[in-house]
Amino acid sequence: DVQLLDSGGGLVQPGGSLRLSCVVSGFNFSTSGMTWVRQAPGKGLDWVSSISDSGAYTSHAGSVRGRFSISRDNSRDTLYLQMNSVTADDTAVYYCARGARGHPNDYWGQGTLVTVSS
Amino acid sequence: NVLTQSPGTLSLSPGERATLSCRASQTVTSSYLAWFQQKPGQAPRLLIYGASNRATGIPDRFSGSGSGTDFTLTINRLEPEDFALYYCQQYATSPRTFGQGTKVEF
Repeated sequence: DVQLLDSGGGLVQPGGSLRLSCVVSGFNFSTSGMTWVRQAPGKGLDWVSSISDSGAYTSHAGSVRGRFSISRDNSRDTLYLQMNSVTADDTAVYYCARGARGHPNDYWGQGTLVTVSS
Repeated sequence: NVLTQSPGTLSLSPGERATLSCRASQTVTSSYLAWFQQKPGQAPRLLIYGASNRATGIPDRFSGSGSGTDFTLTINRLEPEDFALYYCQQYATSPRTFGQGTKVEF
């Protein structure tokens, strides 16, 4: 079975940092592009970042560029999202999903909640 | 590429047909358009990719159509478990974008 396990969310103060992780199993992680998508409370889905299978190519939404960084460790089947200088607008459930660069997001993690508040 | 979904809410009964629209501000190349279903407290679930291809395990009452800038998700004979939020997404260009969602309610 395909599984994506998001973790690392929690309460963080404005201006603080957090690192999200997504451990995958059930498919070949090293040949799959990956994506982070977030959903603010009661709102729709917003693309955050994507990374190619090798990690050589990354892209970020304008709202997080320069503050968030997507990365991966193919030896550990793990995707990361480093979140720095967070603001209240970053409060959301963050989902990792398989698929990037011309591929649909076909498998999703269960989501991890990030709350930015003092 | 901004995606606009309509209607915002669709009020239907089990057994009826639902027709959801997704209009793009620019052509979605290669018909890289997907539809997702989301229920409260759950992650989105891929229903349709490539505008008209059903994802693995998706019942055939779900169908997608369209090309260019106009796309449609049709749900024939609504089942009780189909009442949910539906999003379209284009994954042809970066940033990949989502529509704002259509709620199908009973």
